[in-house]
Amino acid sequence: AQSVAQPEDQVNVAEGNPLTVKCTYSVSGNPYLFWYVQYPNRGLQFLLKYITGDNLVKGSYGFEAEFNKSQTSFHLKKPSALVSDSALYFCAVRDKIRGTYKYIFGTGTRLKVLA
Amino acid sequence: DSGVTQTPKHLITATGQRVTLRCSPRSGDLSVYWYQQSLDQGLQFLIQYYNGEERAKGNILERFSAQQFPDLHSELNLSSLELGDSALYFCASSTNPTGGPLGEQFFGPGTRLTVL
Repeated sequence: AQSVAQPEDQVNVAEGNPLTVKCTYSVSGNPYLFWYVQYPNRGLQFLLKYITGDNLVKGSYGFEAEFNKSQTSFHLKKPSALVSDSALYFCAVRDKIRGTYKYIFGTGTRLKVLA
Repeated sequence: DSGVTQTPKHLITATGQRVTLRCSPRSGDLSVYWYQQSLDQGLQFLIQYYNGEERAKGNILERFSAQQFPDLHSELNLSSLELGDSALYFCASSTNPTGGPLGEQFFGPGTRLTVL
């Protein structure tokens, strides 16, 4: 079955330190993978996506994600965290199920960047 | 601002009632998606419309229904409401049925539904 797992409910990191938010997936075919961010009282905002090509994808606000096919992972990273990065992060996969495309979201990881 | 609008912002109602949530997609977007976000279930895909036609169905209850009108706005109807229906309901849009040019969706600010 298609699924997305975000194993950490919350990640705490000090400002200026590198951050990683983990995501693993399970799909039937080639994955289309996404990261979205949700700030308080706001809708989700697109950060980046992977379809094909370079395994390291660069996105908005200095974020990047590394696609690893053998580990079926798509971890979100940033070299130096900012307090303003504190938000809820969702990993998502687009899969073709019975002829139609569906988006499956993970449960979200709350990132807290400490000053 | 994503360009997707949702009304109302907040809705408080009682069990057994019926409500309608409204979504206007970004200008030019033909596809509309509805999601439910609750604390215990995360973000759940409900249903997708493309140019007025139902395109994909997710975990949508039979008490819920949706439609997309000729002007491309969409409404999500929730009936016989239960306490467990309290959640944030998001609408998203994209230019084509498989997502936008980058495959992404653009989300509205959501409607917070509270069922008492």
